[in-house]
Amino acid sequence: DQQVKQNSPSLSVQEGRISILNCDYTNSMFDYFLWYKKYPAEGPTFLISISSIKDKNEDGRFTVFLNKSAKHLSLHIVPSQPGDSAVYFCAASSAYSGAGSYQLTFGKGTKLSVIP
Amino acid sequence: EAGVVQSPRYKIIEKKQPVAFWCNPISGHNTLYWYLQNLGQGPELLIRYENEEAVDDSQLPKDRFSAERLKGVDSTLKIQPAELGDSAVYLCASSLDAGDRAYNEQFFGPGTRLTVL
Repeated sequence: DQQVKQNSPSLSVQEGRISILNCDYTNSMFDYFLWYKKYPAEGPTFLISISSIKDKNEDGRFTVFLNKSAKHLSLHIVPSQPGDSAVYFCAASSAYSGAGSYQLTFGKGTKLSVIP
Repeated sequence: EAGVVQSPRYKIIEKKQPVAFWCNPISGHNTLYWYLQNLGQGPELLIRYENEEAVDDSQLPKDRFSAERLKGVDSTLKIQPAELGDSAVYLCASSLDAGDRAYNEQFFGPGTRLTVL
């Protein structure tokens, strides 16, 4: 059973517009959430994170929103640029999973295409 | 600063053959991870090392997979014998875990793409 779900396999957005990538989770023990970005033939790179004690974290063009009651988070990219075209992975971790307390559980990813 | 280094980048073998992947983490990073990424899926943790100790290997198929990090620096992941279903990308990541749970950034290498024929 997928504990982290990214239900949109792909998303296309015009350059300059907002990109919104969504992520849902089922494990209420998750307390830290991260977004990773992946280009072809490269490993994922960390983009932005949020702790469960916050509902928003902003870093330049990237903002992550967390709705704990809905077990939902989203990544907003404004304005979107062609260089943002990549696969975006949502990941979650828990401080309470014992030996796996630093284990990241990833979603399947959303491929973002920003059209010039 | 050099990132996580993995080799080889690509490997093609026939089923039942052995294969090994090598990872050198970022200098000073005490924690090392091996992940498996199947096509269209997110990375899944196989094993996590803190220094030379494997602290979480619950997801490692121990009948055919093995890993080591003898000196607490670089690491090797081995499959023997390989099966068709092992075709995937094997990612290595490292992090500096200083006890601060608020920051848990893992730095990933480019991965090794394994094809088993």
